[in-house]
Amino acid sequence: DAGVTQSPTHLIKTRGQQVTLRCSPKSGHDTVSWYQQALGQGPQFIFQYYEEEERQRGNFPDRFSGHQFPNYSSELNVNALLLGDSALYLCASSFSGSPDTQYFGPGTRLTVL
Amino acid sequence: KQEVTQIPAALSVPEGENLVLNCSFTDSAIYNLQWFRQDPGKGLTSLLLIQSSQREQTSGRLNASLDKSSGRSTLYIAASQPGDSATYLCAGAMFSGGYNKLIFGAGTRLAVHP
Repeated sequence: DAGVTQSPTHLIKTRGQQVTLRCSPKSGHDTVSWYQQALGQGPQFIFQYYEEEERQRGNFPDRFSGHQFPNYSSELNVNALLLGDSALYLCASSFSGSPDTQYFGPGTRLTVL
Repeated sequence: KQEVTQIPAALSVPEGENLVLNCSFTDSAIYNLQWFRQDPGKGLTSLLLIQSSQREQTSGRLNASLDKSSGRSTLYIAASQPGDSATYLCAGAMFSGGYNKLIFGAGTRLAVHP
């Protein structure tokens, strides 16, 4: 079992660009949550996907959007990048029947110049 | 506002010391508390999960307690080792709109020197 995987590992973009980050959940998991972790801070909840729908969202602007595919993998899209979007983006997966057990991926380090 | 606070923000200790990391939360809707370890630039590894019906959980040299009434949790690390050096994050789980999410503290950066 490969666990939760994320790609790419690192990414450098410039202000105004758009970025797509990808996450494959742990085998058997059907729910994916995304978190943003700024340097020196704890992760902040962005949104959660289940059955290909966003079912709850944190305090993030509409520039942040996502998608979940039939195989449960997920994408996080960020439009009109700002310098403040530089962070480690973490994906967590869980099984809907056991939502308290979340497994985190290694993260994608996004740097916006 | 949902808040989770961790004290201290950083800790440097010699090998062999017993440590206590503190976590406090303001929202009584938090129904369980989880401790994670994060190595620099890496993802999160779950250490211990304490349900609201439990008082503590133990795994090896780690022991975590939860007091929901006072909004506090502590992580106790016995006989610390250099390999314990990492950031330790606590996170409270709460229901929002019928679904659960994690609220994280900012973490405690631990350095254990030989």
